[in-house]
Amino acid sequence: GENVEQHPSTLSVQEGDSAVIKCTYSDSASNYFPWYKQELGKGPQLIIDIRSNVGEKKDQRIAVTLNKTAKHFSLHITETQPEDSAVYFCAASRGNNRLAFGKGNQVVVIP
Amino acid sequence: DAGVIQSPRHEVTEMGQEVTLRCKPISGHNSLFWYRQTMMRGLELLIYFNNNVPIDDSGMPEDRFSAKMPNASFSTLKIQPSEPRDSAVYFCASSLGLASETQYFGPGTRLLVL
Repeated sequence: GENVEQHPSTLSVQEGDSAVIKCTYSDSASNYFPWYKQELGKGPQLIIDIRSNVGEKKDQRIAVTLNKTAKHFSLHITETQPEDSAVYFCAASRGNNRLAFGKGNQVVVIP
Repeated sequence: DAGVIQSPRHEVTEMGQEVTLRCKPISGHNSLFWYRQTMMRGLELLIYFNNNVPIDDSGMPEDRFSAKMPNASFSTLKIQPSEPRDSAVYFCASSLGLASETQYFGPGTRLLVL
């Protein structure tokens, strides 16, 4: 089955700087790649997603890039704010309604 | 919309007891998912339903776990008998259906089995 790995496991950034989280996947048939944000005591919430026919997608301060050849995709957060502190999960799916999640990245934004 | 609703939010029980977790998906969503989250294993899919029918239960750890979806607005995940290693956060998620990948998660049930 699909194997999704995230790096780094923990990321600390100064407020205002950018944060980048990278995920790799194993199944070349995967075609849907969402990113979820999980705050303490809450369920994961979708923040952005990308499909395999697109290389980049942006939504305000958040962007996702996809490299199908290398089988990796990255989350970019610009102008980080304290409320961006959370655990971020990437996932991959081959269109069968099954999401394979990475283990998560703890992002800490230092004021 | 109220989003996915789960109850209880917290459950503490003793080993051997039966535990029932409940989920109400977003109205109009046809697919429902049960996940388990632990520090060691991350988010694991246990089972998912489409139009109230179980499609894939390969993630259910063992026979002690069972899930039902008697109608489009309600699902249960039952553990009987519970064991300390079942302690985790259990999430329910829903989506529009097989054609839509986006899953919306509930707040989770934090289960502690003593």
